Amino acid sequence: SAVISQKPSRDICQRGTSLTIQCQVDSQVTMMFWYRQQPGQSLTLIATANQGSEATYESGFVIDKFPISRPNLTFSTLTVSNMSPEDSSIYLCSVDGLAGSENIQYFGAGTRLSVL
Amino acid sequence: DAKTTQPNSMESNEEEPVHLPCNHSTISGTDYIHWYRQLPSQGPEYVIHGLTSNVNNRMASLAIAEDRKSSTLILHRATLRDAAVYYCILGWELAQKLVFGQGTRLTINP
Repeated sequence: SAVISQKPSRDICQRGTSLTIQCQVDSQVTMMFWYRQQPGQSLTLIATANQGSEATYESGFVIDKFPISRPNLTFSTLTVSNMSPEDSSIYLCSVDGLAGSENIQYFGAGTRLSVL
Repeated sequence: DAKTTQPNSMESNEEEPVHLPCNHSTISGTDYIHWYRQLPSQGPEYVIHGLTSNVNNRMASLAIAEDRKSSTLILHRATLRDAAVYYCILGWELAQKLVFGQGTRLTINP
């Protein structure tokens, strides 16, 4: 299995500001993903974080709003830029491709973001 | 992405078996059936997955119809800790993005 740490676990931010969420894994992994879960809703994939190259974004999500970094095989960040109240959600990091568990995706506990 | 259909909610009693259905009539021959669950205030966790044959692990069993157009997740003896949203997802076996539907919210009564 994998241990995934997300920081911060929660935050309250003012509109117009930006927040960077960190995701740290205790093992090297091939794939890292970022999801958003709006209040009372299911999870929606934002992007796939690729090591050494730009992230691959899903339809409806753009790099200017959600810049992502992945400097190595155990770490990634997601920034929520120029926030508005509509960005209030839980943001989750997940990993896949762990040696010995290639078909299992592991999730962090999420970052609960409230934008005022 | 192939679509799955699940009941919005189900209710069961503690220590009884639970059968969670999932319909996936447009499944392709290479689609695996994955089940994840999300406990309150936590990220989703893997439950089980399969392709054609029924599968068992320490958490649950997965029964797959012969035509693969439906499947059932079986919790053999539900506990209060099994109260969660259960997601049935189709996709590749390895290194894939997951497309979550609305899932089934399972309530367990003591």
